[in-house]
Amino acid sequence: DSGVTQTPKHLITATGQRVTLRCSPRSGDLSVYWYQQSLDQGLQFLIQYYNGEERAKGNILERFSAQQFPDLHSELNLSSLELGDSALYFCASSSGAGGGDTEAFFGQGTRLTVV
Amino acid sequence: AQKITQTQPGMFVQEKEAVTLDCTYDTSDQSYGLFWYKQPSSGEMIFLIYQGSYDEQNATEGRYSLNFQKARKSANLVISASQLGDSAMYFCAMRDRRGGSEKLVFGKGTKLTVNP
Repeated sequence: DSGVTQTPKHLITATGQRVTLRCSPRSGDLSVYWYQQSLDQGLQFLIQYYNGEERAKGNILERFSAQQFPDLHSELNLSSLELGDSALYFCASSSGAGGGDTEAFFGQGTRLTVV
Repeated sequence: AQKITQTQPGMFVQEKEAVTLDCTYDTSDQSYGLFWYKQPSSGEMIFLIYQGSYDEQNATEGRYSLNFQKARKSANLVISASQLGDSAMYFCAMRDRRGGSEKLVFGKGTKLTVNP
């Protein structure tokens, strides 16, 4: 068990809908990262939050947004869903204090299927 | 930009034998970190091992070791005494610290199959 908790594990929704994925980082970790894993794009970084503030952005679509709350859990919101958004979405956490973490732990992922 | 290359889409190994999974990287940074993850068919990403660019010794964690050759920019994962449960996808990743982040850049992965 990595200590990173993601819910839900599976999600099936229709095109055009909006979903929210949730992530609780490991105790003590301030940074949360979101990644998308799809067959054609592989594992791609989407966005990072550090202690409630956005720290870095990757290949995240404008239809997607995220936030990190005061208790450090994070949510990834995906809207106007398209078939191509079907993927495995991972959350990872680390201390993220800039010291060069030697570990980065992932949650079990949320498998999103858009039909 | 940081880039990870894994040139072996699939590898096969007999149970109890050792196997090496290749990883080369490209970076202009002097200080960097390299990670290996295992992804079984169930989907989770399991952290295996980390190597820092300034670490003088190759990293080891149980049956996993990292053959780090800095001049060649390679960080190959060696799994000794393979077990059936080692069958999975394996990803090499590098930390990208641009913009104050510590996000990971991943290779495309290698699918390892351990045969009985």
